[in-house]
Amino acid sequence: DGGITQSPKYLFRKEGQNVTLSCEQNLNHDAMYWYRQDPGQGLRLIYYSQIVNDFQKGDIAEGYSVSREKKESFPLTVTSAQKNPTAFYLCASSTLGAQSDTEAFFGQGTRLTVV
Amino acid sequence: SQKIEQNSEALNIQEGKTATLTCNYTNYSPAYLQWYRQDPGRGPVFLLLIRENEKEKRKERLKVTFDTTLKQSLFHITASQPADSATYLCALDTGGFKTIFGAGTRLFVKA
Repeated sequence: DGGITQSPKYLFRKEGQNVTLSCEQNLNHDAMYWYRQDPGQGLRLIYYSQIVNDFQKGDIAEGYSVSREKKESFPLTVTSAQKNPTAFYLCASSTLGAQSDTEAFFGQGTRLTVV
Repeated sequence: SQKIEQNSEALNIQEGKTATLTCNYTNYSPAYLQWYRQDPGRGPVFLLLIRENEKEKRKERLKVTFDTTLKQSLFHITASQPADSATYLCALDTGGFKTIFGAGTRLFVKA
């Protein structure tokens, strides 16, 4: 089945530690995105990528980093510079073109908690 | 700055009734508007997209309207069922890859 897979579902991070969230898609989509969701707030864009080896910052990129070495994969690293990383992280993909012109397919999310 | 507002209070309705959710936006003229459904602990699932030149769009029991003068979209679920209980998000394009999402409205359908 085609889809987008995030792992792990739950992740715990210690203070000062970097962690990497995985996102893989087999939909052959060119565009991939990372969003953060906090209670009572809309999804906020962290990073997005339109093509392999290229990505752009979203609205809240500070403290995060990404890579796009393969079309299928778009991992997100939450660095120690991110002071409030506890949140629900969502990865999405879509066909190339304005995201709003085509539907976005979302993964099941990773819930990150700082311990 | 661009702003998108959905009713933060949960909507409680009886099974069989029509649920109507509202999405208001300011400071922008989007070419498209999307609605998604999100269940607890899961990613959003796309439902409908409506373009600025479309007044209304339907899909099975779902209907979306788009009033660019009022800067508002209404999302209707007719003959609602308990399985429709979820959070519904609206999303606007702001050009290119910049889509902004509302915080969502939680819908509870009672049997």
